[in-house]
Amino acid sequence: ETGVTQSPTHLIKTRGQQVTLRCSSQSGHNTVSWYQQALGQGPQFIFQYYREEENGRGNFPPRFSGLQFPNYSSELNVNALELDDSALYLCASSWTGAGANVLTFGAGSRLTVL
Amino acid sequence: RKEVEQDPGPFNVPEGATVAFNCTYSNSASQSFFWYRQDCRKEPKLLMSVYSSGNEDGRFTAQLNRASQYISLLIRDSKLSDSATYLCVGTNTGNQFYFGTGTSLTVIP
Repeated sequence: ETGVTQSPTHLIKTRGQQVTLRCSSQSGHNTVSWYQQALGQGPQFIFQYYREEENGRGNFPPRFSGLQFPNYSSELNVNALELDDSALYLCASSWTGAGANVLTFGAGSRLTVL
Repeated sequence: RKEVEQDPGPFNVPEGATVAFNCTYSNSASQSFFWYRQDCRKEPKLLMSVYSSGNEDGRFTAQLNRASQYISLLIRDSKLSDSATYLCVGTNTGNQFYFGTGTSLTVIP
C-alpha cells in the first residue's frame, strides 16, 4: 500500500511570489484535504477535494486554491505569498464512501516566506 | 469559536504516571472523533478513534460524551515514548476533519 507523498519537502519563497505544492494520495483513497500548520498550532483545514471538486473550505482567502486530478492526486496553489504563509502544509487523503473514514497524512511541505 | 478546543499543556509527567487530556467541540452535529499523535517535526498519525461507548487500546482509553460535547484520552503507565503532541479531532457533516491546537506531553525518566 502506497502512502501519501508530498513534494517538495522544503522550499523558500519571497513575499508576493506564488507556490504550488503537490500531493499523491494513498492508494484506495479518493479524497484529499490540505492543512496549514503554523509552529505550535494544530493543523488548520484549508480545503478538501473529492471527485475533482472542492468539497468544503476553511477560513482561508481565495489566493489559496487547489486542484484534484483523475488519479486523486492534488495540488495546493498559493498566490501573492505573505510572511504569515510560512508554515508546514500537510496533505491528507481519506476514503469518502461507506466504511471507516480516517485521514492519512503525508510528511508535509515546509514553506518559508521571506 | 474554534470547532475543537483543547488545553495546550504542556503536561510533564514521570514515567509510569497516568495522564488525561480533555477536549471540547462546538458543533453538536459533529460526526466522528479521533485522537492523533504528532511527534516533533513529523506528520500527525492516527492514535485511535473515539466511540460513545468508550474504547481502549492497550494503555490508552478514549471517551466521548455527546451530551457535554466532550472527548477525553487517558494514558496509563506512561512511557518515555509517549512524549508527543496529542491532537483532538472531530468531523463535521461534510466529512471534513477539524483539529484542536494539540496538547504537549513530556514523560520524564
